Amino acid sequence: QKEVEQNSGPLSVPEGAIASLNCTYSDRGSQSFFWYRQYSGKSPELIMFIYSNGDKEDGRFTAQLNKASQYVSLLIRDSQPSDSATYLCAVTPGGSARQLTFGSGTQLTVLP
Amino acid sequence: SAVISQKPSRDICQRGTSLTIQCQVDSQVTMMFWYRQQPGQSLTLIATANQGSEATYESGFVIDKFPISRPNLTFSTLTVSNMSPEDSSIYLCSVLGQVNQPQHFGDGTRLSIL
Repeated sequence: QKEVEQNSGPLSVPEGAIASLNCTYSDRGSQSFFWYRQYSGKSPELIMFIYSNGDKEDGRFTAQLNKASQYVSLLIRDSQPSDSATYLCAVTPGGSARQLTFGSGTQLTVLP
Repeated sequence: SAVISQKPSRDICQRGTSLTIQCQVDSQVTMMFWYRQQPGQSLTLIATANQGSEATYESGFVIDKFPISRPNLTFSTLTVSNMSPEDSSIYLCSVLGQVNQPQHFGDGTRLSIL
């Protein structure tokens, strides 16, 4: 069983819609949760991080964490073509020295 | 966040040779990590670079193949030794400024082995 799982996609949404990206993790002791965006040929760029249950909003992005269900999601409101990228969910497993375990990524395409 | 410079940005190497990748940060950081991203795949942690001591390697990665140095709090190197085509990947340095802060990545080194 993979430690961090994401739907690989591709996920396509029309411009202006809400894109919903989901991630589940297996280690119940996981401490920290991150979403990175990676454009083709580029390195990952941090979008959001969340440590506590609930929602965290930053501009058009909202991260949602439910530790009981071992589930973390990223919502992108008013999606733009420039949001088209691969979104990587990353988790710091319990007891780790802050290393990240990555999911396989979800490829998002926002259609103009 | 810290400015992370990784060199070289890309290289094409011959089978059996070795390449050293450098990661320089413009401020002291708590932790430095090295990741590999194989074509079409996600990121896999190679090792944690420890300042002044041997790196901590993840399962499947060994020091003889991926020797790592971290002589101070702003610099680390990763060497890919005795390269084969299977080593063709993007190698990424990441840093952690403070314990409760997210990791940030350098621009990566795109390595191709012929």
